[in-house]
Amino acid sequence: GQNIDQPTEMTATEGAIVQINCTYQTSGFNGLFWYQQHAGEAPTFLSYNVLDGLEEKGRFSSFLSRSKGYSYLLLKELQMKDSASYLCAARDSNYQLIWGAGTKLIIKP
Amino acid sequence: ETGVTQTPRHLVMGMTNKKSLKCEQHLGHNAMYWYKQSAKKPLELMFVYSLEERVENNSVPSRFSPECPNSSHLFLHLHTLQPEDSALYLCASSQDGTGEVDTQYFGPGTRLTVL
Repeated sequence: GQNIDQPTEMTATEGAIVQINCTYQTSGFNGLFWYQQHAGEAPTFLSYNVLDGLEEKGRFSSFLSRSKGYSYLLLKELQMKDSASYLCAARDSNYQLIWGAGTKLIIKP
Repeated sequence: ETGVTQTPRHLVMGMTNKKSLKCEQHLGHNAMYWYKQSAKKPLELMFVYSLEERVENNSVPSRFSPECPNSSHLFLHLHTLQPEDSALYLCASSQDGTGEVDTQYFGPGTRLTVL
């Protein structure tokens, strides 16, 4: 079956760095997405990876290893507003997104 | 603001009621989606429309009935729901549903409570 695994919850300190991991098993692979979702709000697109390596976008970076079925989202210089759930989703051979349950990130002062 | 709006934002209904959820996208996209989001569970894809034709129906109970009158609007008609249907219902749109980088953009969702 198809599956996405990511930690349920993580805690980090304001100003620090946190890495949220995601492993995936899909029938074929056509890219991996990360979304941010604040409580009661819409998921918003953060990043897309389809080739191995690191994609950097400001304070956020996303990494992909296709051979390992692994991705991570790296958040630097954490701010209180980064407290949110982070959703990992892999796209299979039919271009359907397979979603993880999300990682709730709690930022403490 | 993602360019996708949903109404109502909150809905409480009894099991015998009939109600509809509305979604509108202002992004010029051709594909629209309905998802169900329950606490601590992955997003569940319910329906996909591409160019106003339904292309995906993931074994959703018939008490949920989608309608896509044009590429900008999507409805989810609800009738005789069960308490376990209480969840956040998210609408999303994307350029065409199959492109290389076909990013989905989400609305804020309708929080549905079935009594």
